[in-house]
Amino acid sequence: DTGVSQNPRHKITKRGQNVTFRCDPISEHNRLYWYRQTLGQGPEFLTYFQNEAQLEKSRLLSDRFSAERPKGSFSTLEIQRTEQGDSAMYLCASSLEPRGRNTEAFFGQGTRLTVV
Amino acid sequence: GQQLNQSPQSMFIQEGEDVSMNCTSSSIFNTWLWYKQDPGEGPVLLIALYKAGELTSNGRLTAQFGITRKDSFLNISASIPSDVGIYFCAGQRNFNKFYFGSGTKLNVKP
Repeated sequence: DTGVSQNPRHKITKRGQNVTFRCDPISEHNRLYWYRQTLGQGPEFLTYFQNEAQLEKSRLLSDRFSAERPKGSFSTLEIQRTEQGDSAMYLCASSLEPRGRNTEAFFGQGTRLTVV
Repeated sequence: GQQLNQSPQSMFIQEGEDVSMNCTSSSIFNTWLWYKQDPGEGPVLLIALYKAGELTSNGRLTAQFGITRKDSFLNISASIPSDVGIYFCAGQRNFNKFYFGSGTKLNVKP
């Protein structure tokens, strides 16, 4: 399978704990996006990388959230001191660096986080 | 931030009927993408549009990039039960992040 891979698929954690999610993009893609989705809503932008550089971070992202892409391949999203409001589906997508007609972003299956 | 308005929010149709949904914005976009999402899964890309006025098909699906660059339309012909799901539009400006609509939930009665 050469699609976007996210791990774990599901995570249940107690409030106050830290969690980390991983995303492996399609191998030749140098763009990687993180989105969050709550029930009944469309995906909401969190941050994106081009290679290892984090080019944009949403103002909605509190300082409890941090994302890395150290070698320009896989990425991790960490949430510190989780709160119940962090419960959501966390989606990762990847694409080629946009040049004309190749900007399609492909999503992984997501990580469902439940904070209890 | 940018807001994409999708309509209708939901629709109930009979198998075999055609479906139309649209996405509008107050801002201009360079790229429009359409996705389908099943419960508990990530969105799956259906169609990508890059040029104002462009009409692109993928099987029974046809999408158009609005001439004003502020809207896009998705049509599904001869719907079947497996078309059930939530359809999202996404717009991109200046090759940065994608903005998503809130989705159109499609129900198909056999």
